[in-house]
Amino acid sequence: DVKVTQSSRYLVKRTGEKVFLECVQDMDHENMFWYRQDPGLGLRLIYFSYDVKMKEKGDIPEGYSVSREKKERFSLILESASTNQTSMYLCASSLGPVSGANVLTFGAGSRLTVL
Amino acid sequence: LAKTTQPISMDSYEGQEVNITCSHNNIATNDYITWYQQFPSQGPRFIIQGYKTKVTNEVASLFIPADRKSSTLSLPRVSLSDTAVYYCLVGDRYSGAGSYQLTFGKGTKLSVIP
Repeated sequence: DVKVTQSSRYLVKRTGEKVFLECVQDMDHENMFWYRQDPGLGLRLIYFSYDVKMKEKGDIPEGYSVSREKKERFSLILESASTNQTSMYLCASSLGPVSGANVLTFGAGSRLTVL
Repeated sequence: LAKTTQPISMDSYEGQEVNITCSHNNIATNDYITWYQQFPSQGPRFIIQGYKTKVTNEVASLFIPADRKSSTLSLPRVSLSDTAVYYCLVGDRYSGAGSYQLTFGKGTKLSVIP
């Protein structure tokens, strides 16, 4: 089975800090995604990547950036964390061309609190 | 954008069949419909996927009418362990910058009662 590992399950940061959320997948998937999940809003796509060094904006990219230097690793960066970025962040990966037909495999999530 | 709408919550007794409907009125020709299950403090996991008509696997069935504007996830004889949030996802192929649309619904919280 594909395993998607998020490096931190829980983080507490202060407003203005730079935050890195790391995600690694072990099955050579081409596509990787970052979502955030908030009560009442469901999952919202922040960024995705369909190849090394390639990235595309999702629905809510403002305040975030991403990095994909290696195929297995996709990082989400909060350049200057704000309290409204307190959320659960979920990383996912999928095989093949980016398509709604491809099944997403999710990590366990990283719960970020910004004080 | 193929926006999806699901009931916010549902309750069911153990052993009953549960049907959760997702509306996606603006579904596009190439869109697939995928359902995910999420337990607290975990990421969502794949349940079932379909394009049209009916799909069945060992966990669930998915019914999609001819117009594809809705879909129904059917869970046979639910148990307490089926208590979770169920998400409907509709999406198509990415074909260039800005053209990838893959939208999760807000999810349906299913509570199974003993």
